[in-house]
Amino acid sequence: GAGVSQSPSNKVTEKGKDVELRCDPISGHTALYWYRQSLGQGLEFLIYFQGNSAPDKSGLPSDRFSAERTGGSVSTLTIQRTQQEDSAVYLCASSPSRQELGGYTFGSGTRLTVV
Amino acid sequence: QKEVEQDPGPLSVPEGAIVSLNCTYSNSAFQYFMWYRQYSRKGPELLMYTYSSGNKEDGRFTAQVDKSSKYISLFIRDSQPSDSATYLCAMRDSNYQLIWGAGTKLIIKP
Repeated sequence: GAGVSQSPSNKVTEKGKDVELRCDPISGHTALYWYRQSLGQGLEFLIYFQGNSAPDKSGLPSDRFSAERTGGSVSTLTIQRTQQEDSAVYLCASSPSRQELGGYTFGSGTRLTVV
Repeated sequence: QKEVEQDPGPLSVPEGAIVSLNCTYSNSAFQYFMWYRQYSRKGPELLMYTYSSGNKEDGRFTAQVDKSSKYISLFIRDSQPSDSATYLCAMRDSNYQLIWGAGTKLIIKP
């Protein structure tokens, strides 16, 4: 597609449930990133993929968070046993490479609300 | 103390005014400095990036970097209501990691 696509755009879930967030990057972009944005906060890095591997997952806040990428394309971020503090906007971005300065393209995000 | 500090605002100015947005940082290893614009319920989009100290101009936008003071600015000339958005600064470290400011909400009043 022309841009980075994320689904769902909004998700309301009950505390303790698992959720899956999907990111479809720009075709040909080998680098993919997940960020979390809370109200009044900057973007918090979660994980970086190069192809299907994740050389940097240092930002995942706990073992309840996991992510995978298949076929060098679509990525899924999974949050298990959701907590209220997980409520935030989850943003995905892709770029031709990690070194590419001008190439980060973000999706519109998934707004997650845990009730 | 955060590595990148940015006043969250909101900053409200009349249409046509010159806007100045700023970030300070503490890590002298930051090499590249970026400004992103984020409209409500959208992802950030890159406006400009700079490498060295000095000014870089693109239309109504000017990015300024002062590495000696660890201070970066974004100036918007002839501001328009369509410029109303949140502006985020970001800086890249030697590990290609982007470190983000919290964003400044800008409101341009017609």
